[in-house]
Amino acid sequence: DAKTTQPNSMESNEEEPVHLPCNHSTISGTDYIHWYRQLPSQGPEYVIHGLTSNVNNRMASLAIAEDRKSSTLILHRATLRDAAVYYCILKPYRDDKIIFGKGTRLHILP
Amino acid sequence: EAQVTQNPRYLITVTGKKLTVTCSQNMNHEYMSWYRQDPGLGLRQIYYSMNVEVTDKGDVPEGYKVSRKEKRNFPLILESPSPNQTSLYFCASSRTVSNQPQHFGDGTRLSIL
Repeated sequence: DAKTTQPNSMESNEEEPVHLPCNHSTISGTDYIHWYRQLPSQGPEYVIHGLTSNVNNRMASLAIAEDRKSSTLILHRATLRDAAVYYCILKPYRDDKIIFGKGTRLHILP
Repeated sequence: EAQVTQNPRYLITVTGKKLTVTCSQNMNHEYMSWYRQDPGLGLRQIYYSMNVEVTDKGDVPEGYKVSRKEKRNFPLILESPSPNQTSLYFCASSRTVSNQPQHFGDGTRLSIL
């Protein structure tokens, strides 16, 4: 099963961009890269996903390395409400077993 | 409103007393899944289902059962709960294609004494 590696925690200042890295060196050609976040006392919520090209949505941007062995979630202007645990996961083509890593706990400093 | 609903949200019970946590989704999703979340261990998949009558084990299936008789429901059954099953449980659903996001319920906190 393809797995991901993320830093345990990161800190950022409010209103500054945040770059959250994820390594997935064993990714297969049909695995999608998904990012979720979990705010305190809530269930995970979807943030963004991609396959090969960089992606943007209203919440964040996803930059995928050319060899697909790593990716970076970019929050363009962090707010205190972005403090959460961010999970990078690989979603197999057939949507079978999904493995969440331990994620990165993001702290936002006012 | 599109949602995944879990019940109960909180439950305290005793070892060996069978319990069921229900999960229902109103999005006509084929894929449903159960996770448990424990401090320091993150989210671990218990069971998943690709469609009606199709279920498979995740990473930590021991001590749990599931069923998928209808598309919208995916109950998690603990036949003989033990204290090591004390945890926070999440149900999730999605369409069965890899580029579709999962929608998570609000969680069920189980305490087995």
